[in-house]
Amino acid sequence: GAGVSQSPSNKVTEKGKDVELRCDPISGHTALYWYRQSLGQGLEFLIYFQGNSAPDKSGLPSDRFSAERTGGSVSTLTIQRTQQEDSAVYLCASSLWGSRNYGYTFGSGTRLTVV
Amino acid sequence: ELKVEQNPLFLSMQEGKNYTIYCNYSTTSDRLYWYRQDPGKSLESLFVLLSNGAVKQEGRLMASLDTKARLSTLHITAAVHDLSATYFCAVDGGDSGGGADGLTFGKGTHLIIQP
Repeated sequence: GAGVSQSPSNKVTEKGKDVELRCDPISGHTALYWYRQSLGQGLEFLIYFQGNSAPDKSGLPSDRFSAERTGGSVSTLTIQRTQQEDSAVYLCASSLWGSRNYGYTFGSGTRLTVV
Repeated sequence: ELKVEQNPLFLSMQEGKNYTIYCNYSTTSDRLYWYRQDPGKSLESLFVLLSNGAVKQEGRLMASLDTKARLSTLHITAAVHDLSATYFCAVDGGDSGGGADGLTFGKGTHLIIQP
């Protein structure tokens, strides 16, 4: 597609429920990133995917967070047993691998509210 | 651990004035990015600075990078109201190829330009 697409744009969920956030990167972009933006913590890097390679999960905030990327394209970020501190905007970005020189394109984000 | 500090965090200025936003970072890097974020919106890429001494200009905005001082500046010339937004600098400090460590962001500078 023309840009990085994220869905849903807004999600309100009850504490303890699981949520799935979706990211569809720019066609041809092999690198995909998830970030979290919250008032208290600013912008935090969560996880990176390069093609179909297994990601480094060390940046994920807790073991309730997981992410996968199917077919080297669409990615989902799953948060299990959501807590109020998970409330934030989750941003996805993509880039051409090895082309950090051209920057990263961000999606519009998913605003997650845990009540 | 890479740290990125921006200052000021909040700036209110009048149209027509000049000002500079500063971005200091703590480890060696030669890739620095500036983004703009409007309220409720995602991050828009402004500049990608790739080497010591790099200077880029777009309209009333000019960004520079001094890798020896670990400092980047975003200079605003003759500010106009439309430039009101939050500006983030971000550093790619990873040693591994392809940006696997993601970006480390500053806390952002909330800029208000008043008529």
